Amino acid sequence: DSGVTQTPKHLITATGQRVTLRCSPRSGDLSVYWYQQSLDQGLQFLIQYYNGEERAKGNILERFSAQQFPDLHSELNLSSLELGDSALYFCASSGGSSGNTIYFGEGSWLTVV
Amino acid sequence: GENVEQHPSTLSVQEGDSAVIKCTYSDSASNYFPWYKQELGKRPQLIIDIRSNVGEKKDQRIAVTLNKTAKHFSLHITETQPEDSAVYFCAADPRSGGGADGLTFGKGTHLIIQP
Repeated sequence: DSGVTQTPKHLITATGQRVTLRCSPRSGDLSVYWYQQSLDQGLQFLIQYYNGEERAKGNILERFSAQQFPDLHSELNLSSLELGDSALYFCASSGGSSGNTIYFGEGSWLTVV
Repeated sequence: GENVEQHPSTLSVQEGDSAVIKCTYSDSASNYFPWYKQELGKRPQLIIDIRSNVGEKKDQRIAVTLNKTAKHFSLHITETQPEDSAVYFCAADPRSGGGADGLTFGKGTHLIIQP
């Protein structure tokens, strides 16, 4: 167990819909990262938050947004979903006692039908 | 930004033999290079990492080497076992010692251990 908690584990939704993925980082970690993993794209960095503020942005679509709350949990919002958004979405965290080592959660499987 | 190339995409070795996976990176500011192992449908797990002030690091059957001049690093697994079968990802991180940007990952190597 990495200590990073993600919900839901599985989600099936229709095209055009909006979903929210939730992440609780390891205790003491200030940074939260979101990654997308699809079969043909490997692990794609989406966005990073550090202590509530956006720190770095990767290949995140405009239809996607994220935030980190004062209690350090984070949410990734995916809207106007397309079939190609089907993927495994990982949250990861770092900082605190682990330093800059990044630990991943179990992921949220999103299927868009 | 950083770009990480990883080779090969698939590697099949006989049980007991060694496996080597190689990565190159583009950003000379990168100074942290972790390796993750991912089993099917599971989360990536850190197996070993190396920082730019070290040329080699070993942990039992796993070792990582780093050549900063050439901007490449490699994962070496000796005496491979069936449980080593997985996808391995290398990554590079341009941060300068504190929390900063996200890791840039290679596309992964599917390691297959043949019995």
